Amino acid sequence: TQLLEQSPQFLSIQEGENLTVYCNSSSVFSSLQWYRQEPGEGPVLLVTVVTGGEVKKLKRLTFQFGDARKDSSLHITAAQPGDTGLYLCAGARSGGSNYKLTFGKGTLLTVNP
Amino acid sequence: KAGVTQTPRYLIKTRGQQVTLSCSPISGHRSVSWYQQTPGQGLQFLFEYFSETQRNKGNFPGRFSGRQFSNSRSEMNVSTLELGDSALYLCASSLVLDNEQFFGPGTRLTVL
Repeated sequence: TQLLEQSPQFLSIQEGENLTVYCNSSSVFSSLQWYRQEPGEGPVLLVTVVTGGEVKKLKRLTFQFGDARKDSSLHITAAQPGDTGLYLCAGARSGGSNYKLTFGKGTLLTVNP
Repeated sequence: KAGVTQTPRYLIKTRGQQVTLSCSPISGHRSVSWYQQTPGQGLQFLFEYFSETQRNKGNFPGRFSGRQFSNSRSEMNVSTLELGDSALYLCASSLVLDNEQFFGPGTRLTVL
């Protein structure tokens, strides 16, 4: 059972378009992280959201954590080819020695010039 | 500051063999986690080590094992390899448990 569902699974758009990807779960997480992974590399952390309803902006990327801390979205404005990659969300549960990240399967984004 | 390094980057083995992968965390990081990434299952948690002790374990068979050394470097071992073990194995380090994780580039394992 996949605890975190990401949609869409694949997304191909033209440069300059806007897009939103989603990360949904029936479970509550203490925090949620978004990563971007490029071919041949490991995931790189983009942002961590902790508070229900929290919105964080990173240049053209806007991240939102759902009020109930079960879902999140990532919105990219005016996408560029450099945004191409696999976007992964990861939910963290509990803390201390019981800390564990659960990853979604990701959204593979291709931005065409 | 050097990032997380993993060796080897690529590995080809045959069924039944065993393999050992190595991970050197960022200097000062004491927590090391291992993940398996496949197209079908995505990123799945294998185990986490902190101060040479396994703190967390994912749902993988006993063929998958690991250890951490006093210098925080970690190794994972897979015995009796199966075709389904072909995957990208990622290592991530963090300062302490429950903290931001930094991933290495991974080891691409192919089992023939």
